[in-house]
Amino acid sequence: DAKTTQPNSMESNEEEPVHLPCNHSTISGTDYIHWYRQLPSQGPEYVIHGLTSNVNNRMASLAIAEDRKSSTLILHRATLRDAAVYYCILRDYGQNFVFGPGTRLSVLP
Amino acid sequence: NAGVMQNPRHLVRRRGQEARLRCSPMKGHSHVYWYRQLPEEGLKFMVYLQKENIIDESGMPKERFSAEFPKEGPSILRIQQVVRGDSAAYFCASSPAQGTNYGYTFGSGTRLTVV
Repeated sequence: DAKTTQPNSMESNEEEPVHLPCNHSTISGTDYIHWYRQLPSQGPEYVIHGLTSNVNNRMASLAIAEDRKSSTLILHRATLRDAAVYYCILRDYGQNFVFGPGTRLSVLP
Repeated sequence: NAGVMQNPRHLVRRRGQEARLRCSPMKGHSHVYWYRQLPEEGLKFMVYLQKENIIDESGMPKERFSAEFPKEGPSILRIQQVVRGDSAAYFCASSPAQGTNYGYTFGSGTRLTVV
């Protein structure tokens, strides 16, 4: 399985942008990059995914490096509700999602 | 448009009893996945099912655990003769297909406590 590396934890101030990094140096050409988050006492929630190009949706932006060996999830204005564990996952066809430890994001008021 | 529905939300069982966890996938989704999250640990894949078929059960413990997804009705994760180590949050997810461009929609989980 292709692996990802994320910082264990990060802090942000409310209403400031947050950049959550993910390294995936062994990514294959057919791996999609998915981001999920898990709020306390909830199931994981889809955030965004992409293959090669940067992606934007109402929740976040995904910036993918040109060599695809890293990516960054960008929350444009963090709110208290964004405090969660964020998972960066590589997934190829036929594979199930494999969750690592993720990054625990704390948002300070 | 209801999401993935899991019930019960909380389940308490005594050691040796059976636990039955139910999952109704999103409308139009025929692929169901079960994950387990032990306290302070990450999510671990257990089993992947399509209607009436188990596709991948590589993460299921060999004994006491079974899963089904019948033609009609919800998917069921069944744990026989529960032990304290089975205490965890069990999450179900569904998707419309298995391709890489399809994400999973997760339910809110069932928290099993074995006393």
